[in-house]
Amino acid sequence: EAGVAQSPRYKIIEKRQSVAFWCNPISGHATLYWYQQILGQGPKLLIQFQNNGVVDDSQLPKDRFSAERLKGVDSTLKIQPAKLEDSAVYLCASSLPGQLGNIQYFGAGTRLSVL
Amino acid sequence: RKEVEQDPGPFNVPEGATVAFNCTYSNSASQSFFWYRQDCRKEPKLLMSVYSSGNEDGRFTAQLNRASQYISLLIRDSKLSDSATYLCVVKQTNSGYALNFGKGTSLLVTP
Repeated sequence: EAGVAQSPRYKIIEKRQSVAFWCNPISGHATLYWYQQILGQGPKLLIQFQNNGVVDDSQLPKDRFSAERLKGVDSTLKIQPAKLEDSAVYLCASSLPGQLGNIQYFGAGTRLSVL
Repeated sequence: RKEVEQDPGPFNVPEGATVAFNCTYSNSASQSFFWYRQDCRKEPKLLMSVYSSGNEDGRFTAQLNRASQYISLLIRDSKLSDSATYLCVVKQTNSGYALNFGKGTSLLVTP
């Protein structure tokens, strides 16, 4: 079974530039999550989708971050404009919905460096 | 106060040693508990769920104390391949089933 796919694996940009990340969840997984993991920290939830609707985006810095999952499958996360403190690994995860979603499967992540 | 707190370590132990990690959580409404493992520059992967009665998976034993809001992971007979960061994870049903991660505890098993 294919896992969660993310691209690109690495991205280096200068501050104030824009960047977008892409995620394709495991087939059949209605719930999709974006996490930010700063070096030395655990992953922090940015946004959670159930199909194409947002369930929780309380920790998403909405002045610069946006995410969408238009058709309820793939998702993109965008940062515009980027700041130095956005340097982190951006992890996408997917799960079955509700209580079945106790197990989340993570993609390999996109490592972002903002210079 | 952070919702999930762990001793970051690092824990350096010789092969064959027994090592224990502890974790506390602040939200008493927490419903589900897990240990995830994260290898260097890799994604987190589920190691095991943690149940109130305690549960064991081979050399790994997880325990939960709801009254003290405390979770533990015990690794017996450590192997070199156990070297990784162990993330304590808590899920609340009122947060849309997303996971709250601790910072992780780093383990290095040496020959």
